[in-house]
Amino acid sequence: KAGVTQTPRYLIKTRGQQVTLSCSPISGHRSVSWYQQTPGQGLQFLFEYFSETQRNKGNFPGRFSGRQFSNSRSEMNVSTLELGDSALYLCASSLEGGINSPLHFGNGTRLTVT
Amino acid sequence: TQLLEQSPQFLSIQEGENLTVYCNSSSVFSSLQWYRQEPGEGPVLLVTVVTGGEVKKLKRLTFQFGDARKDSSLHITAAQPGDTGLYLCAGYSGAGSYQLTFGKGTKLSVIP
Repeated sequence: KAGVTQTPRYLIKTRGQQVTLSCSPISGHRSVSWYQQTPGQGLQFLFEYFSETQRNKGNFPGRFSGRQFSNSRSEMNVSTLELGDSALYLCASSLEGGINSPLHFGNGTRLTVT
Repeated sequence: TQLLEQSPQFLSIQEGENLTVYCNSSSVFSSLQWYRQEPGEGPVLLVTVVTGGEVKKLKRLTFQFGDARKDSSLHITAAQPGDTGLYLCAGYSGAGSYQLTFGKGTKLSVIP
């Protein structure tokens, strides 16, 4: 069974640009969550989608957005990039989300903003 | 905002030693999870504890959930170099929550 796939693995962008990251969940998983990981703040929750609906959103500015498609694949977009957006962005999928549905993480997209 | 504080932040020990990592909060969590993350990879779930006072064992790893469900610990017996990694605790605040809150992690190095 294929795991969670995130593309691209590495990305270098310039301040002010926008970026789109992609996540393909494990087959059959309908919940997809996104997290930002930095050395200073650790893993911080961005948002969670289930059946194309955003159920939870973390405390990030509106420049961070996401969506989920009917095949459960998800994308997140960051507009007007800032230096502080440099981080590892992790996607996790689960059957239904929540306590009774273990998360399976991808290996992340490393974003560097210069 | 519910916070999880992990200690110690860094731990370097010799192979064969025992160690304990702590995860504490002032808030009650409906469940706590422990993950291990290796460089260049995403976190991998080790265990979920749900009931206050619960103890779970995974080979040489012992996980405990505090009676008040505000804290948890991870004890490793006879650490091996393969245990090296970043250990993260994480929790859901309520049964209907889909937002997992993470601690900042304990970076463990086991020296052969």
